[in-house]
Order: sequence, then C-alpha cells, then structure tokens
Amino acid sequence: GENVGLHLPTLSVQEGDNSIINCAYSNSASDYFIWYKQESGKGPQFIIDIRSNMDKRQGQRVTVLLNKTVKHLSLQIAATQPGDSAVYFCAENTDSTGTASKLTFGTGTRLQVTL
Amino acid sequence: DAMVIQNPRYQVTQFGKPVTLSCSQTLNHNVMYWYQQKSSQAPKLLFHYYDKDFNNEADTPDNFQSRRPNTSFCFLDIRSPGLGDAAMYLCATSRPAGTSRYEQYFGPGTRLTVT
Repeated sequence: GENVGLHLPTLSVQEGDNSIINCAYSNSASDYFIWYKQESGKGPQFIIDIRSNMDKRQGQRVTVLLNKTVKHLSLQIAATQPGDSAVYFCAENTDSTGTASKLTFGTGTRLQVTL
Repeated sequence: DAMVIQNPRYQVTQFGKPVTLSCSQTLNHNVMYWYQQKSSQAPKLLFHYYDKDFNNEADTPDNFQSRRPNTSFCFLDIRSPGLGDAAMYLCATSRPAGTSRYEQYFGPGTRLTVT
C-alpha cells in the first residue's frame, strides 16, 4: 500500500505486504531527517535517519528515501508486521545554526496492519 | 539502560491550579526539550535547554515555564492550566548541534488532564 501525501492520514496494509509512508517537508535548507514511530500512549521512537547528502538509507526492514528536488521523504517498511501498527512521523532539522537541533514534525500517518 | 524518564505518566489537575511535570535522563545529554502533543497531532516544541541556557519558542504561552536545576533533570511548570492545555507532554534529549547525529530521544510522556 502507498500513502500519496498527507491528505491520507491512515494507511491500511495487510500483514506481510510492504508499506510506503510519504512525507512532504517544508524547508529546502533542512540537512537532516528522521522517521519516528509512535505507539498509542507512548513517546516517539527513533526508526531511521538520513542526512541531506544522501538519497537512500537502509535499516532493518526499513528504508528511507530522500528526494531533495521535490522536498519529499518516504519510509518503506518491508514485510509489515502487526507490531508495526502505529503513527509514523517524519521530522526535519530546521535549525543548524544554534547549539541544539530543532526538529519540525510532519502531520503523521497512522499505519494499520490487517491480518 | 540509558533513558529518558517522565513522572508522573498521568496527571490530573484542576482548572487554574499550578502543576509541575518532571523529566530526568541518564544519557548525559546537553540538550533537553519539552513538547506538547495534542490528540492526533504532531509534537509541538515549547522550549529547550542547552545546558542551563533556556530557549523559548516564540509562540509558547507565558503560562508555560521550565526549570533545569542540573544536567539530569528538567521540569515543566504550567502556572494556570486551562482546558486547552490538556495534552501529552513529551520530554526529549539530544547531543548538541555539530555532533554527528541530531536524533532526539523521547520519554514516554505525561498525559495531562484538566478538569
């Protein structure tokens, strides 16, 4: 299943299928991006990150793709499992000039895994 | 395990009654953040500390204050909670900007109810 943009906040995927969650970010100067997973009642949990000098990064069952030309970020989850059900947020680092990172979060996409 | 701890996990307060939420970390990170997250929304940054330097976001209401007595602890004070302040409050930590990663580590959150 594929979520084409933030106007589809819920993505339903069958167990075992691949999931693709998309995110449009706002600042062309952002140099670092993160995907977080947030389960109900819990804090966001780091999944994977990517710097702006890369266009792809792979982790365990997850891949992040970055297209700076169109300011688009995607998260691919292979062989989606019931435990992947959560809300997924992309975040961009919008301030590299100060002493701390400042992350701006996207709207979020709820991933529902059906059996 | 190194982690971010928030207490209490659930807090109920009365309209207008001051409340304090606490956060502690064992990661020894210089930066600590407070976010507000309302239902089905992305986390919104309220302020952050770099060591003892306090950095307020421009749109954070004066009703929200923070204290960081030492590296490990940070507190969020809501001086006169209104019904609109009911939310999940997330604490996060990170290494300083200029290090290799901008990842923020989140605590489990405190869910605040205002009656």
